[in-house]
Amino acid sequence: AAGVIQSPRHLIKEKRETATLKCYPIPRHDTVYWYQQGPGQDPQFLISFYEKMQSDKGSIPDRFSAQQFSDYHSELNMSSLELGDSALYFCASSSSGLGGSYEQYFGPGTRLTVT
Amino acid sequence: AQTVTQSQPEMSVQEAETVTLSCTYDTSESNYYLFWYKQPPSRQMILVIRQEAYKQQNATENRFSVNFQKAAKSFSLKISDSQLGDTAMYFCALLSTGNQFYFGTGTSLTVIP
Repeated sequence: AAGVIQSPRHLIKEKRETATLKCYPIPRHDTVYWYQQGPGQDPQFLISFYEKMQSDKGSIPDRFSAQQFSDYHSELNMSSLELGDSALYFCASSSSGLGGSYEQYFGPGTRLTVT
Repeated sequence: AQTVTQSQPEMSVQEAETVTLSCTYDTSESNYYLFWYKQPPSRQMILVIRQEAYKQQNATENRFSVNFQKAAKSFSLKISDSQLGDTAMYFCALLSTGNQFYFGTGTSLTVIP
């Protein structure tokens, strides 16, 4: 079965640089979520999109932005990177329509290292 | 406010034995979902089991089952016949309104051969 795809899997950036993370949800899933997981921490919700519209916002810094495109893939843009942004970034998708079960299926994550 | 609490940072169990991971939560919503996710050393987040709050019957998935006590807001995970591959971090999660997940801080489970 198709799973959530994230790219790149690993990314190394320097402070003050910009990074773009991509997420391709499971086909026919209409909702995408972004999470940040720091070392030894639980995943923290950043933002979600339903049908290409932002549906919920969590602890996402103003330096970050995200969007969902017409093909339902999503991109997380991170600017003015800081050392504290080093983390594992998960994308998850779910189906909320009729017959959908709401559980989120996670991608493998993008490990971002800021030096 | 929604909160999820996992009070056991670390647990261990002998292979083939049974272990129960605890989770309590708080929500003012009447309709919500509860989940257990497993995060092995690969860091992949894997769905283990889900429970709809309106269902009284406890969910079961092979060796994994839950004890859902709605009045007590408790949602524990029981792993039977523990296997070495069960070694992982386990996160309890709550989904209510807004499609936002709230995760607990996780329980690190080690299965001992």
